[in-house]
Amino acid sequence: QQQVKQSPQSLIVQKGGISIINCAYENTAFDYFPWYQQFPGKGPALLIAIRPDVSEKKEGRFTISFNKSAKQFSLHIMDSQPGDSATYFCAARSGANSKLTFGKGITLSVRP
Amino acid sequence: EAQVTQNPRYLITVTGKKLTVTCSQNMNHEYMSWYRQDPGLGLRQIYYSMNVEVTDKGDVPEGYKVSRKEKRNFPLILESPSPNQTSLYFCASKAGVQETQYFGPGTRLLVL
Repeated sequence: QQQVKQSPQSLIVQKGGISIINCAYENTAFDYFPWYQQFPGKGPALLIAIRPDVSEKKEGRFTISFNKSAKQFSLHIMDSQPGDSATYFCAARSGANSKLTFGKGITLSVRP
Repeated sequence: EAQVTQNPRYLITVTGKKLTVTCSQNMNHEYMSWYRQDPGLGLRQIYYSMNVEVTDKGDVPEGYKVSRKEKRNFPLILESPSPNQTSLYFCASKAGVQETQYFGPGTRLLVL
């Protein structure tokens, strides 16, 4: 059973557009929801994260929207740039000492 | 520079030939973990360690061993590699109660 499901599987966006990646989770005990960004040939790196006590968090062009009742959270990339082309993983965790459960990842391509 | 290092970065081997992938971190992190990344499956945890001499199985531990004799090192051992262990492997670490995991650059393994 996949506890964290990402959609879409891949995404192509024009430069300057908005990229939206969605994530749905099963476990209501999850209390931390990060997004990781991975460039080709590199390891994943934390991009932005949110806790369920807030509905939105913004850092520059990146925003997480969180919907606790729907058990969903999404990543919005405003003014998408070719340099944002990467694989994006959502993840979730229940408790400080528990493991991160990752989604399958989606590949974002931003066309010039 | 704070970092997680892995060696080797690329490895081609044959079925049954024991190999070790090393992982080292210089951030004095208590928690370390190994993941494998496969197309369409995302990141799956193999083993993790909460501290020295404390290790536990992740989601896909079969065919792998780990040890944590020192805080900074967490080697991944494949006693008898098989072709289904062909994958991209990542080591990660984090401070005990902190949330951000720091990933190494990855080791691409091909088992013939």
